[in-house]
Amino acid sequence: GAVVSQHPSWVICKSGTSVKIECRSLDFQATTMFWYRQFPKQSLMLMATSNEGSKATYEQGVEKDKFLINHASLTLSTLTVTSAHPEDSSFYICSARDRLAGGLLVAKNIQYFGAGTRLSVL
Amino acid sequence: DAKTTQPTSMDCAEGRAANLPCNHSTISGNEYVYWYRQIHSQGPQYIIHGLKNNETNEMASLIITEDRKSSTLILPHATLRDTAVYYCISGYGQNFVFGPGTRLSVLP
Repeated sequence: GAVVSQHPSWVICKSGTSVKIECRSLDFQATTMFWYRQFPKQSLMLMATSNEGSKATYEQGVEKDKFLINHASLTLSTLTVTSAHPEDSSFYICSARDRLAGGLLVAKNIQYFGAGTRLSVL
Repeated sequence: DAKTTQPTSMDCAEGRAANLPCNHSTISGNEYVYWYRQIHSQGPQYIIHGLKNNETNEMASLIITEDRKSSTLILPHATLRDTAVYYCISGYGQNFVFGPGTRLSVLP
């Protein structure tokens, strides 16, 4: 159980185009999903927290108009990189938290990660 | 900044136990300790988590000191497939702050 599917796994696009990345929790419901970015030889950096049915919360320094997040259902969140440029090339990873796993005890709700999407902007 | 500190790298012989330490001296009373690992070019994989008591599952054991300021992840019989970056995180299950982790190399 606790599988998070991320699609696509790899995308190449031209500068100026938009790219959409999907994150799905396959066997559990996730009221909260998270989007991370990882540059080569660096650790994961949290970009935003995606809440089902409400606006995403972005970390400091992350442009919300550039990285559009939609969490329309309990099993799907999408990240759209708008007008992508070469500096947006990175490894994007989503995670989802099982809302029922820990009950009211949020800290017991483990984040399960997708396999990641490697974005290359030419 | 990450709230945990870990060694940058460690080596372990195949078949032996791998003991990965983590310091989380500023952990608060309700924060958990989580361990994940990331194999090259993949998303992090959940390993184990705990609050106060030692925990064990099919992948690993987690030993938390009584004062909760540090912990050790134990892979009892390391295999080559356990070569990865291991991340120790403290928190409430959200807003994870990943540090650089420990790069574990399991050697044949």
